[in-house]
Amino acid sequence: NAGVTQTPKFRILKIGQSMTLQCAQDMNHNYMYWYRQDPGMGLKLIYYSVGAGITDKGEVPNGYNVSRSTTEDFPLRLELAAPSQTSVYFCASIREGGRDTGELFFGEGSRLTVL
Amino acid sequence: GDSVTQMEGPVTLSEEAFLTINCTYTATGYPSLFWYVQYPGEGLQLLLKATKADDKGSNKGFEATYRKETTSFHLEKGSVQVSDSAVYFCALRGSGGSNYKLTFGKGTLLTVNP
Repeated sequence: NAGVTQTPKFRILKIGQSMTLQCAQDMNHNYMYWYRQDPGMGLKLIYYSVGAGITDKGEVPNGYNVSRSTTEDFPLRLELAAPSQTSVYFCASIREGGRDTGELFFGEGSRLTVL
Repeated sequence: GDSVTQMEGPVTLSEEAFLTINCTYTATGYPSLFWYVQYPGEGLQLLLKATKADDKGSNKGFEATYRKETTSFHLEKGSVQVSDSAVYFCALRGSGGSNYKLTFGKGTLLTVNP
C-alpha cells in the first residue's frame, strides 16, 4: 500500500516556467489537499477537493490550478512560476468518514525552487 | 476564522528532559484537536488527537489534554529521546462548515541532544 505519492521530490524552475506537481493516492480517499510549507510559517492550504470533479480554493490559491478527474489523482499546476512560489509542497488525503479522526495522510513532499 | 497558536521554537533539550510545547486555539463550536509530527525529510504524520473537551490523546509517550476552558492542547512528554527530534504541529478541525480541512500552527522544531 503506497499511500500518498508525490512527484517530483525536487525541482528547480526558472521564473516564468510552468510545471505540474503530481499527487496520487491508493487508499480510495475522497478528500485531497495541497499545502505549501514555508520556513516558520506552518502549512497553508492552496486547494482542496472533496471528490472527483470538485475542487475549491484554500487560503493561498493565486498562481496555482488544480484538477481532479479521478479519485486517485490530484495534480497541482504552477503557471508562470515566481520566486514567491519557492516552497515545499505537500499533498494529503483523508478517508471519508474521517471527520471524527481528522487523520490526514501526507506525501513526502516536493521541494520547488524558482530562480 | 479558526486559528492555532503554538510556542515559537526552536526548543533544544537534553535526553530524558521534560518537554512541553504550548498550543492554544480559536474556533467556534467544538473543534477536534491534533498534534502532527514531521521527521526530517518526511511528510507529516498524526501523533495524537482529541475530539472533545477533557479528552486526553496519547501516543509514544506523548500526551495532550483538550482544555476547552483555556482553549489549549499542550503537548507533553516526561522523558524525551534523541529520536524525538522533529517539528511538531498543533492543528484543529472545525466542527462547522469548515470541517473538511485542518488549520495548522506554525510548527515547533525540537532538537534533543544526547
